[in-house]
Amino acid sequence: SQQGEEDPQALSIQEGENATMNCSYKTSINNLQWYRQNSGRGLVHLILIRSNEREKHSGRLRVTLDTSKKSSSLLITASRAADTASYFCATPEYGNKLVFGAGTILRVKS
Amino acid sequence: DSGVTQTPKHLITATGQRVTLRCSPRSGDLSVYWYQQSLDQGLQFLIQYYNGEERAKGNILERFSAQQFPDLHSELNLSSLELGDSALYFCASSVDLGAMNTEAFFGQGTRLTVV
Repeated sequence: SQQGEEDPQALSIQEGENATMNCSYKTSINNLQWYRQNSGRGLVHLILIRSNEREKHSGRLRVTLDTSKKSSSLLITASRAADTASYFCATPEYGNKLVFGAGTILRVKS
Repeated sequence: DSGVTQTPKHLITATGQRVTLRCSPRSGDLSVYWYQQSLDQGLQFLIQYYNGEERAKGNILERFSAQQFPDLHSELNLSSLELGDSALYFCASSVDLGAMNTEAFFGQGTRLTVV
């Protein structure tokens, strides 16, 4: 089952532009996490936002969470070619596993 | 480097065979998760172990099994392999019982190709 659904499926931008990805989920959550995956590699944790938080920053990343709309967004500012990757949101289900969305493929052109 | 080690990195085997994938979690992490990633199914949770005990089961086929040993490393056994089992298999670990409050750290994966 997939809890989170990312939007858009793919995004192509120029270096220096901002990239925004959205995630919607279905059930109540304790937290929501964003991960990055470079092609064929392992997933790297980016940021975790708890259900009582509305916004969180980490470097060039900004995550928002709207529990009333069951949605989250990930903003990458001043994107770089190295940001090219797939981005996944994930939510814990029954506290024992992370359920991932289908991901957004981001391509940053230099 | 996430601290999670998976071996082998690549595996090519024939249909009907059996393989074992190995995972060493980060030092201190008690939970190990196994995921399968394929193009058509995305990232699918297979199974979770905590301190040697099975804690959660996902979309894991009966042909697949896993265990976590006293030293906390884990193995995923895939038997009677079919072409459709070709995928990336990831192991992840976390310090918590579940993913309620902490992130998971992923290994680089084992790419299994069944021919």
